[in-house]
Amino acid sequence: DGGITQSPKYLFRKEGQNVTLSCEQNLNHDAMYWYRQDPGQGLRLIYYSQIVNDFQKGDIAEGYSVSREKKESFPLTVTSAQKNPTAFYLCASSDRDRGYNEQFFGPGTRLTVL
Amino acid sequence: QKEVEQNSGPLSVPEGAIASLNCTYSDRGSQSFFWYRQYSGKSPELIMFIYSNGDKEDGRFTAQLNKASQYVSLLIRDSQPSDSATYLCAVRDSSYKLIFGSGTRLLVRP
Repeated sequence: DGGITQSPKYLFRKEGQNVTLSCEQNLNHDAMYWYRQDPGQGLRLIYYSQIVNDFQKGDIAEGYSVSREKKESFPLTVTSAQKNPTAFYLCASSDRDRGYNEQFFGPGTRLTVL
Repeated sequence: QKEVEQNSGPLSVPEGAIASLNCTYSDRGSQSFFWYRQYSGKSPELIMFIYSNGDKEDGRFTAQLNKASQYVSLLIRDSQPSDSATYLCAVRDSSYKLIFGSGTRLLVRP
């Protein structure tokens, strides 16, 4: 099955800890994205990457970091500098051959800071 | 700042009726427009996209785009209780980024 996987599904973090959220895709898509969703809100872009070893900040990158060492993987680290990290985190990917138009989402990781 | 606006709802319609969801956007340079459906606690699922002015139909769904008015809508015909969800409008700017609205919650009453 082709798709996007995210792990873990639920994650609990103590204040002051860094945590890394996993995102893997086997769709052979070039671009990958990380979004954050707060209750009753739309999605806000954290980081995105269109090619391996390159990524750009989105609208709310402060307190987050990413890497793109492999085409299929785009992990997100939520650092202790992120002041309000409790949210639903969504990873997406899109295909360069389709103009990066259609983004497909993974199932998400729900992060709670205790 | 580029914005996408949606009425938060809930929009309540009886089963079998047409549900009309609306979205306006601020960036005239926007090129592509998307509708996602999101069930509670789940990730968004792409329903439709539209690039050109006019209507695009796919089954019970019709997307309508009016670039002059900076307006995009989604019509759902013969609404079913299973259509009850939050519908997110997204607009792609020239840098390939999607800008999302906050969504409209649709409730289809049996």
